[in-house]
Amino acid sequence: NAGVTQTPKFRILKIGQSMTLQCTQDMNHNYMYWYRQDPGMGLKLIYYSVGAGITDKGEVPNGYNVSRSTTEDFPLRLELAAPSQTSVYFCASRARGDEKLFFGSGTQLSVL
Amino acid sequence: DAKTTQPNSMESNEEEPVHLPCNHSTISGTDYIHWYRQLPSQGPEYVIHGLTSNVNNRMASLAIAEDRKSSTLILHRATLRDAAVYYCILRDNIRGGADGLTFGKGTHLIIQP
Repeated sequence: NAGVTQTPKFRILKIGQSMTLQCTQDMNHNYMYWYRQDPGMGLKLIYYSVGAGITDKGEVPNGYNVSRSTTEDFPLRLELAAPSQTSVYFCASRARGDEKLFFGSGTQLSVL
Repeated sequence: DAKTTQPNSMESNEEEPVHLPCNHSTISGTDYIHWYRQLPSQGPEYVIHGLTSNVNNRMASLAIAEDRKSSTLILHRATLRDAAVYYCILRDNIRGGADGLTFGKGTHLIIQP
């Protein structure tokens, strides 16, 4: 099982550029999440989805957008990248009724 | 979610047991206690979770105080591979509102050979 797969692993953006961080899971999980982790800090929830076609804001949604057109994929879109968005981004998923979260290996993003 | 308090760092020796404490004095009756760990340059990894009773799995044991205001993650025989940041997190699976786990700074566990 691949689990939760994130691409790319590293990316450098210029201020004002946009990009999409990809996340896909092959476990047929209903719930998916995007977190960001700044150096030396815990993870903060950006957006989450409880199923295809349903998304909702987390703690730090400003500057990001998400979509959930399929159960497997949950892309995170950055429009007009800013230095404050320099961070490591983690995608996670879980099955309905299960407390256990599965995380991807992360995307390290630098905005210069 | 209710807050948790953990020591910033702890140090232990290889092949010895490790007890990682977590205080959660404002825990509600429907809050699950979760533990995750994050190895360097990796995403968090599930360790264990429980509600009221002590729990055991292949990775660790979770001891929950009778009043549920604190818990302890027990690694029975630490190895160098257990060096990581350990997060204690509460999650209410009953109430509505934002889903997902709230991660604090966790405890940085250092294992000495």
